[in-house]
Amino acid sequence: QVQLVQSGAEVKKPGASVKVSCKASGYTFTTYDINWVRQATGQGLEWMGWMNPNSGNTGYAQKFQGRVSITRNTSISTTYMELSSLRSEDTAVYYCARGSRTIDPWGQGTLVTVSS
Amino acid sequence: DIQMTQSPSSLSASVGDRVTITCRASQSISNYLNWYQQKPGKAPKLLIYAASSLQSGVPSRFSGSGSGTDFTLTISSLQPEDFATYYCQQSYSTPRTFGPGTKVDIK
Repeated sequence: QVQLVQSGAEVKKPGASVKVSCKASGYTFTTYDINWVRQATGQGLEWMGWMNPNSGNTGYAQKFQGRVSITRNTSISTTYMELSSLRSEDTAVYYCARGSRTIDPWGQGTLVTVSS
Repeated sequence: DIQMTQSPSSLSASVGDRVTITCRASQSISNYLNWYQQKPGKAPKLLIYAASSLQSGVPSRFSGSGSGTDFTLTISSLQPEDFATYYCQQSYSTPRTFGPGTKVDIK
């Protein structure tokens, strides 16, 4: 079955960077976009950006421009989301999710905690 | 960016009730509107895509309607497993913005 499995929880200090991975299985990796969405505790869903794994093309929400980078390694069907210059407000669960117009399925989520 | 709003922000309902949630886009998005269900501690799950198409495996008590700027998610007879938070999301353009969510809890 189609599955996205993310890397484990991270604790980072303010100003640091975090890189979260998302490994796809059960389908041809290059045929579907991957999105990254985050959710702070008790808050709603916030779309961060997307990547086309075939072309490598990316797009980012204006809010994260300059701080986020989405990359991939097609040989291992894995997408990465790196967020830099972390601040406390970046503490959230980060999800990867497959698709372009429709986003499904989603990974299990990765909790990133930013704390001094 | 396209802004999405939802109403109500929360509602209390009983098993068997008919529930309706409304989503509005700040500009016309044709039928590029999806609905997701999220339970505590879990990832969101796609329920409805393209405003009214039921995702495979989703019970038929869920339905969606609307086009342009106004959309509705309806649960025809609320079941215990439907208590959750529901989000709309536009897929007309990037960024793919979400509504703020509607929490459905037990009356």
